Amino acid sequence: GENVEQHPSTLSVQEGDSAVIKCTYSDSASNYFPWYKQELGKRPQLIIDIRSNVGEKKDQRIAVTLNKTAKHFSLHITETQPEDSAVYFCAASRNTGFQKLVFGTGTRLLVSP
Amino acid sequence: EAQVTQNPRYLITVTGKKLTVTCSQNMNHEYMSWYRQDPGLGLRQIYYSMNVEVTDKGDVPEGYKVSRKEKRNFPLILESPSPNQTSLYFCASSSFDRNTEAFFGQGTRLTVV
Repeated sequence: GENVEQHPSTLSVQEGDSAVIKCTYSDSASNYFPWYKQELGKRPQLIIDIRSNVGEKKDQRIAVTLNKTAKHFSLHITETQPEDSAVYFCAASRNTGFQKLVFGTGTRLLVSP
Repeated sequence: EAQVTQNPRYLITVTGKKLTVTCSQNMNHEYMSWYRQDPGLGLRQIYYSMNVEVTDKGDVPEGYKVSRKEKRNFPLILESPSPNQTSLYFCASSSFDRNTEAFFGQGTRLTVV
């Protein structure tokens, strides 16, 4: 089955810096890669996703890149702000008609003012 | 408002005392799933359901049961809870449209003593 590895497990940056979180996956048939943000004590919420027919997707300060050959994808956050502090999870899924998401182990991002 | 509702939010119980965590969604989603979240392990799938009366094991199903008698409800049952089931549990639902957002409930923090 699918296995998703996520690095780093913790990431500390200064406000205004960029942050990058990387994930690798094992199943070459996976073709949907969402990223979820979980604030302290809250539920995970989707922030951006990418499908395998796209190499990069951007939404304001966040972007995701996908390299299908290398089987890795990354989340990029620019101009970080304290409210970006949270745990971020990557996930991967096959296009099987339903969504069996396999999650990474999470990255705790701390943005210091 | 589209939402996934779990109850209870917090539960402390004793070893061996059967319990049920309820999950309900109002989005007419076909697919529902239960995850447990543990530090350093991310979100691991317990069980999932593709539709009414259709359920299947996820990655960590031991010690859990589920049922899907109605489309909107997907309760998680622990017949004989043990301390290693102390965890944060999330229910999620999504549409059968390919690769769409998974909506999470607010979480249930379970402690088994």
